[in-house]
Amino acid sequence: DTGVSQNPRHKITKRGQNVTFRCDPISEHNRLYWYRQTLGQGPEFLTYFQNEAQLEKSRLLSDRFSAERPKGSFSTLEIQRTEQGDSAMYLCASGTNRASSYEQYFGPGTRLTVT
Amino acid sequence: RKEVEQDPGPFNVPEGATVAFNCTYSNSASQSFFWYRQDCRKEPKLLMSVYSSGNEDGRFTAQLNRASQYISLLIRDSKLSDSATYLCVVNLFSGGYNKLIFGAGTRLAVHP
Repeated sequence: DTGVSQNPRHKITKRGQNVTFRCDPISEHNRLYWYRQTLGQGPEFLTYFQNEAQLEKSRLLSDRFSAERPKGSFSTLEIQRTEQGDSAMYLCASGTNRASSYEQYFGPGTRLTVT
Repeated sequence: RKEVEQDPGPFNVPEGATVAFNCTYSNSASQSFFWYRQDCRKEPKLLMSVYSSGNEDGRFTAQLNRASQYISLLIRDSKLSDSATYLCVVNLFSGGYNKLIFGAGTRLAVHP
């Protein structure tokens, strides 16, 4: 499968615990995005990487959230001291730098439940 | 005001019906536009890009009206398998990169 992959697919954690999610983008894609989606809403942008550089962070991304893409390939999203309001689907998407191609392709997501 | 607004539906239609979804966006600097389809508890999947001249892909037709900041999706001859949420998406070039802004989606339920 050459699509975007994410692990784990589901995570249940207790409030206050730290969690880390991983995203492996499509191999030739240099752009990587993280989104959060809650029930009845569209995905909301969290952060963006071009290669290994994190170029933008949404105001939705509090200090408890951190994302990395150390070698410009896979990325991790860590949430520290989780809160019940963090329960959501966390989606990763990747895209290329090809001219006029702004399409993004999504992974299956990690569904986080904070109890 | 939301940056991308859609009627949440649901649109309940019989098989074979024609159904149209509309979407408005607030930022006139938006550069490109898409429709994504999302099945229940799955990731969004790109359905089609929307071009200024309008474009068609099989039973699906997308239209863009930049003056009115309005995008539409028409589905002809609806199939049961078309049941899903359709997300209107706007691409904005800001701060040196492209950012996708999603609407909340319109739910379609096609019944026999």
